Amino acid sequence: AQSVTQLDSQVPVFEEAPVELRCNYSSSVSVYLFWYVQYPNQGLQLLLKYLSGSTLVKGINGFEAEFNKSQTSFHLRKPSVHISDTAEYFCAVSDVGGSNYKLTFGKGTLLTVNP
Amino acid sequence: DAGVIQSPRHEVTEMGQEVTLRCKPISGHNSLFWYRQTMMRGLELLIYFNNNVPIDDSGMPEDRFSAKMPNASFSTLKIQPSEPRDSAVYFCASSPHLGQPQHFGDGTRLSIL
Repeated sequence: AQSVTQLDSQVPVFEEAPVELRCNYSSSVSVYLFWYVQYPNQGLQLLLKYLSGSTLVKGINGFEAEFNKSQTSFHLRKPSVHISDTAEYFCAVSDVGGSNYKLTFGKGTLLTVNP
Repeated sequence: DAGVIQSPRHEVTEMGQEVTLRCKPISGHNSLFWYRQTMMRGLELLIYFNNNVPIDDSGMPEDRFSAKMPNASFSTLKIQPSEPRDSAVYFCASSPHLGQPQHFGDGTRLSIL
């Protein structure tokens, strides 16, 4: 069975500061990895995905994430955040092949960007 | 492009009543998912359809919950009878094919009094 651990439930930062949101996963097989963002009263929006290839993945809104297989991590980073980045961020994993439709989500990290 | 459309956005009803949540997936998407989001349990997959056929309903909490997909452009999630512990935000998502990223609707916020 898969599991996803988002190590920080809340991350407060100041505007223009860098940020890293941490995600670790466990799975007995190869995985696809995703980061989603949820703004208040909205659904989840895909930020970026790792399916294969380069371990550094760039997404929308200036975010990027690096897949580290040995550490089973997929941390999300942004070099300079804006007030508008305030939202909840979810890491998710699915198995490659088999029941790869099924996304397992972490509990989420609330990013609050302060002026 | 229209995204995944859910209705209603908000539903408040008394326990014991029947609740029907509706979802229109993105045109051309073959897979449809229903999720429930609560503070305590986070995001949980309830049921998944592929080409209108239910594939895995192991996440459906009880027999009070049922879901249908009569055609490629419409799905319903029904709770009967509803209970206060069913209060949550219910999301519908669709994806083009297996393994492709899922696109989420804005959710239905359900409150059972």
